[in-house]
Amino acid sequence: SAVISQKPSRDICQRGTSLTIQCQVDSQVTMMFWYRQQPGQSLTLIATANQGSEATYESGFVIDKFPISRPNLTFSTLTVSNMSPEDSSIYLCSVGSGSGDYGYTFGSGTRLTVV
Amino acid sequence: EDQVTQSPEALRLQEGESSSLNCSYTVSGLRGLFWYRQDPGKGPEFLFTLYSAGEEKEKERLKATLTKKESFLHITAPKPEDSATYLCVLQGGYNKLIFGAGTRLAVHP
Repeated sequence: SAVISQKPSRDICQRGTSLTIQCQVDSQVTMMFWYRQQPGQSLTLIATANQGSEATYESGFVIDKFPISRPNLTFSTLTVSNMSPEDSSIYLCSVGSGSGDYGYTFGSGTRLTVV
Repeated sequence: EDQVTQSPEALRLQEGESSSLNCSYTVSGLRGLFWYRQDPGKGPEFLFTLYSAGEEKEKERLKATLTKKESFLHITAPKPEDSATYLCVLQGGYNKLIFGAGTRLAVHP
């Protein structure tokens, strides 16, 4: 299965600023997924990022707030823009294994605290 | 509506005390059911994929089973290092993943 390197692992940011999270995969993948995990809750899909096309956002998430780049088949970034304390969460990227037998692989997460 | 419900929310076990975690689901077209383990501050770690009712998979002290409405994660003789949150995840139509809220397992020596 793929190995994902996600960074930063954590950050503390001032409200009104932006943070860009990076995910690097050790193999080429068609789709990458970005999730948010709010404190004490499970994962919520933010968007699906395909290389060469605009990301597809889930209900409740918009491109102006969470712009995504996908410049090639091994890399993606998620930016959390104009942050407020409500954006304090763990953000994770994920890729499929190519085989359902191995599920989906997740990055180690970025723990964001907005003050 | 596709839905996943995990129970209990939290479970405390003594080392060696076997138990089961439950995942009840409703889905229009099940493509797969995954179990993941998540440690604090880390991303989920893949454990099992189940595809059809009657299927079972094992890994060390863990065994996952699937029926048409439920999946169970059985933990036999758990150790403190098994302490984690266990997530049940459905893959439904359009390969969309539906996450359960998780069961927080604490195993005490």
